[in-house]
Order: sequence, then structure tokens, then C-alpha cells
Amino acid sequence: GAVVSQHPSWVICKSGTSVKIECRSLDFQATTMFWYRQFPKQSLMLMATSNEGSKATYEQGVEKDKFLINHASLTLSTLTVTSAHPEDSSFYICSASIVSAETQYFGPGTRLLVL
Amino acid sequence: GQQLNQSPQSMFIQEGEDVSMNCTSSSIFNTWLWYKQDPGEGPVLLIALYKAGELTSNGRLTAQFGITRKDSFLNISASIPSDVGIYFCAGRYGANSKLTFGKGITLSVRP
Repeated sequence: GAVVSQHPSWVICKSGTSVKIECRSLDFQATTMFWYRQFPKQSLMLMATSNEGSKATYEQGVEKDKFLINHASLTLSTLTVTSAHPEDSSFYICSASIVSAETQYFGPGTRLLVL
Repeated sequence: GQQLNQSPQSMFIQEGEDVSMNCTSSSIFNTWLWYKQDPGEGPVLLIALYKAGELTSNGRLTAQFGITRKDSFLNISASIPSDVGIYFCAGRYGANSKLTFGKGITLSVRP
């Protein structure tokens, strides 16, 4: 149980284009989903917290207009990197919390490479 | 802000050996979580701890929630090659608060 999927698993795009990453909880409902970014050999950096049906809460320093988050249902959240640039290249990981639980379950991650 | 300390950054052990990893904090947490991350993958939850003093096992893994609520340890017994990876501790103060992660410990297991 508690499986989280991400799609795509990797993406290569040209600078200036937008990329959408999906995060789904497959066997549970998630009122809260989280988006992280991870650079090589570093820990996870929280970008934003997404609650179903409401606006995401962004961490300090994360541009909300650049990283658009939509939590449309209890099983789906999307992260759109708008006008991507090479410095946006990273490993993006989502996680989800089961309703009333405190544990986060992570997706497999999406590797983004912007050329 | 809250910080979790994990050290050393890397550990090297022989297959079959036991290894213990510690995680300390300057603030208290009400939940401690231990994750393992393989290269190119998302973190996988190993053990979750919700009560001070709690000792929980998952196969060869054992973790404890420190009495002071400022530390936790993870023990791996009889290590095997597939234990290789990065081990992160994470703490959470309340149900609606975000997770704070340690920097991770990279474990290498020599066959």
C-alpha cells in the first residue's frame, strides 16, 4: 500500500518551454502532497506544499509563477515548470500524506534536463 | 530553523557487519522517519516512529525514537550488498508541519 507514482520519469526539453510533472497516489487519498527538488549528492529541498482544492504554499525563495502547482483531486497533483532554463535541471520528487496520518510517501522522482 | 544532523557523510562496512546511524536535532520532534534512497529513485520509507522511547523493527532494521525527542538512531544488522544507498532521517513536529530532512548518510557495503 501507499504507492505514489510520477510521470514522466525523465524529460529533456529546450530552454523556454514548459514541462508538466504529474504525481499520483495510487492506492490512497492524499489531502496533502509535497514537491521537492534534489541536487546531486544533496538532501531534499521542499519547494511547496499542496492541499487538495486550495492554493499551494511555497517555500521561501521558490517562485510560484515559475513552478505552478495544481492539486486537482485527492489523488493527483501537478507541477509545471514554466519557461524552463538550464538551471532548472534537477531531480523533482513528490510525496503524499495519507489523510490523518503523518507519514509521507515519496514518488520515484522525475529527472528534468533543460538544454 | 530546525536542522537535523547526520554524520558521518559516508560509511563503509563489510558485508555481514552491523551498522548504526544517528540523527540529532536542536529542537524536539513528534515524529521521526527513516528513508532509504537508491540512485535515481525517490526515498523509500523504512521505519516511522511516533512516540518518544519507541523502538521499532522492520526485518534487519531497528530504529528508536529518543527519549528527549531530539534524536533517533537506525541500526542495520547483518548488512548485505543491497543495503547500499543513502539513508535520510526526517523529523516532523506536528501533523500539519513539514518534514525536516538530514543531509543523509551514504552507506557502502563491501562484499
